[in-house]
Amino acid sequence: DIQMTQSPSTLSASIGDRVTITCRASQSISTWLAWYQQKSGKAPKLLLYDASNLESGVPSRFSGSGSGTYFTLTISSLQPDDFATYYCQQYKSYSPWTFGQGTKVEIK
Amino acid sequence: EVQLLESGGDLVQPGGSLRLSCAASGFSFSSYAMTWVRQAPGKGLEWVSAISSSGGSTFYTDSVKGRFTISRDLSKNTVNLQMHSLRAEDTAIYYCAKVGDPSALLLYYFDDWGQGTLVTVSS
Repeated sequence: DIQMTQSPSTLSASIGDRVTITCRASQSISTWLAWYQQKSGKAPKLLLYDASNLESGVPSRFSGSGSGTYFTLTISSLQPDDFATYYCQQYKSYSPWTFGQGTKVEIK
Repeated sequence: EVQLLESGGDLVQPGGSLRLSCAASGFSFSSYAMTWVRQAPGKGLEWVSAISSSGGSTFYTDSVKGRFTISRDLSKNTVNLQMHSLRAEDTAIYYCAKVGDPSALLLYYFDDWGQGTLVTVSS
């Protein structure tokens, strides 16, 4: 199985901060990576797919980059609505499909 | 608007069975693979099972192989998860999700999710 490791596990930030979350794969997954946002008590929401493609309706302050084994999710200017837990997910064929352990973005 | 509505979650004893259903609407159901993802209390997301658009191919995470069966009814636009021999570690919210790219062969990311249904396995 391909293991996905996110860092940090928790991140404290202020409104307006630039925030970066890292996701590493245990083997190369090309750009077969998605990012999700999950707010407390809610279902996950797709933010980006294919590492850097923004899902329709997602604010442009969210961006993704990377390929191979190293990926980042960046929020250019943190907004109150962005405090949530973020997950990466690899989908390089059927490995099975695996998620990172999550990164919780908290208010500083 | 895509809608996915799960049902069937309940409290069940260890060793028991349960059938989850997901009613889909707002998209061409027969064109998309579907999946179940679960989340144990206070934990992260875990992919559980997936089924191809036609229903001809099914996939399972190792921990549920032989115990869970995914199926879909193209006439009713539903996807089901039959769960047997349930264990305490199966306790979770189970989400139904739609695969994002109808043309992707096993390149499954999930673009629409239901609200989830809670399965509790306890005596």
